Amino acid sequence: QVQLVESGGGVVQPGRSLRLSCTASGFSFRAYGMHWVRQAPGKGLEWAAVISYDGNTKYYTDSVKGRFTISRDNSKNTLFLQMNSLRAEDTATYYCVKDTTSYSSSGYYFDYWGRGTLVTVSS
Amino acid sequence: NFILTQPHSVSASPGKTVTISCTRSSGSIARYSVQWYQQRPGSFPTTVIFENNQRPSGVPDRFSGSIDTSSNSASLTISGLKTEDESDYYCQSYDDNNRVFGGGTRLTVL
Repeated sequence: QVQLVESGGGVVQPGRSLRLSCTASGFSFRAYGMHWVRQAPGKGLEWAAVISYDGNTKYYTDSVKGRFTISRDNSKNTLFLQMNSLRAEDTATYYCVKDTTSYSSSGYYFDYWGRGTLVTVSS
Repeated sequence: NFILTQPHSVSASPGKTVTISCTRSSGSIARYSVQWYQQRPGSFPTTVIFENNQRPSGVPDRFSGSIDTSSNSASLTISGLKTEDESDYYCQSYDDNNRVFGGGTRLTVL
């Protein structure tokens, strides 16, 4: 079955960096786009970034553009999110999410979700 | 950018039917599919409807989705309510540049 396991969350000071990882199994990772979706404590879901199946196309929500970088290693079935210049408003649980459509250059919706990793930005 | 508007909360009794609406502010509801995600308290989201009305395997047929072009909205209907359906439900859609979630609806089964 599909499994997505995030890691790398924790407490970090404003302005510092953090790198999240997501290890995937149970499906052909290299065939699907992958997303990061975040959820601030007690709030709703917010899409953050997507990367195409081959890593060649990436899109970001405006609030993280220029600060976050999504990447992937298809040889290791792993998705990453490099988060720089972190702000208090980046505090959230970050979910690794599989796109529904295979071999798409730009994914638009989701089928499987990880359990999430909590990032807290605080001094 | 468009927004998706959902009611903050709905409630119904076990065995009854409830419908949650999701209204798109701009752009055709028929052009970009709508998905629905369930998030039980303290847990991660799961997909209950994709492409307006498709159920992933394992999702009971008590869950159904539809769109209404006249109101530019989508709906999630849950029939035969069970206490385990008590969750937050989020609609989601997109356009060429954005992937957008609704604000979420808390379903209380009482």
